[in-house]
Amino acid sequence: GQNIDQPTEMTATEGAIVQINCTYQTSGFNGLFWYQQHAGEAPTFLSYNVLDGLEEKGRFSSFLSRSKGYSYLLLKELQMKDSASYLCAVLDSNYQLIWGAGTKLIIKP
Amino acid sequence: ETGVTQTPRHLVMGMTNKKSLKCEQHLGHNAMYWYKQSAKKPLELMFVYSLEERVENNSVPSRFSPECPNSSHLFLHLHTLQPEDSALYLCASARGSGDYNEQFFGPGTRLTVL
Repeated sequence: GQNIDQPTEMTATEGAIVQINCTYQTSGFNGLFWYQQHAGEAPTFLSYNVLDGLEEKGRFSSFLSRSKGYSYLLLKELQMKDSASYLCAVLDSNYQLIWGAGTKLIIKP
Repeated sequence: ETGVTQTPRHLVMGMTNKKSLKCEQHLGHNAMYWYKQSAKKPLELMFVYSLEERVENNSVPSRFSPECPNSSHLFLHLHTLQPEDSALYLCASARGSGDYNEQFFGPGTRLTVL
C-alpha cells in the first residue's frame, strides 16, 4: 500500500527553527508537495520537490532524498502566524496525490 | 483568496435530507477535485474531473454524487448521509489532472450530519 508518515504535532518557540519530517512509500514518484493549512482555512501551496536536494524560499526550505523516501520542511525565524498544519503529499506514478495526515505546528512566545 | 470558492461554508443536515455543495474556480483550470478531510486523517480524494469528464472515483458511497456542468463549477450532491460523513469537504482545482499539478483549494464546507 501507499503510505505517508509525518509527526502528528510539534511545538516550537517564536524566533527558532523547526524541521518537519515526512517519509513516504508510494507506487512511483513524480514529486513531493508541502502545503500549509491554517485552522478553518484552505490548504495553500508551499513547495514542490522532484529532484534531490534543498529548495529555499525565504524563511521556508524543503529537502528531498528520493533514495531514502524522505523529505523535510524547514521553517526559520518562526513567527506566531506559522502556527498551522503542514501537509506532505506525494504525486504517485498515476499522477495522483497521496497525502499525509499533516503535522500540527504550535508556536509558543 | 485562492481563486476557488465554496458554498456553503457550514452545513448541518439530518440523515434524511438532500443537500448540495457548490465549488467554483476562477483560475481557468481544467481539473477539479473533491476531497474529504477528517480530523487527524490524510486528505481522502473522492472525485476528479478533467475537462468535465470524471476520471477518478475512489470507491465513494453512492450517497455522494458529483456533478461537473462546466470546467468552472463542481457540485457534490448529498443524500441519506451517515453521521460518519461529518467532515470538512474541500474542493480543489489544477491546470490539468496529470503531470505536476499544484492544486488550489477552496476554504471547504464543514458538514455535520445529525
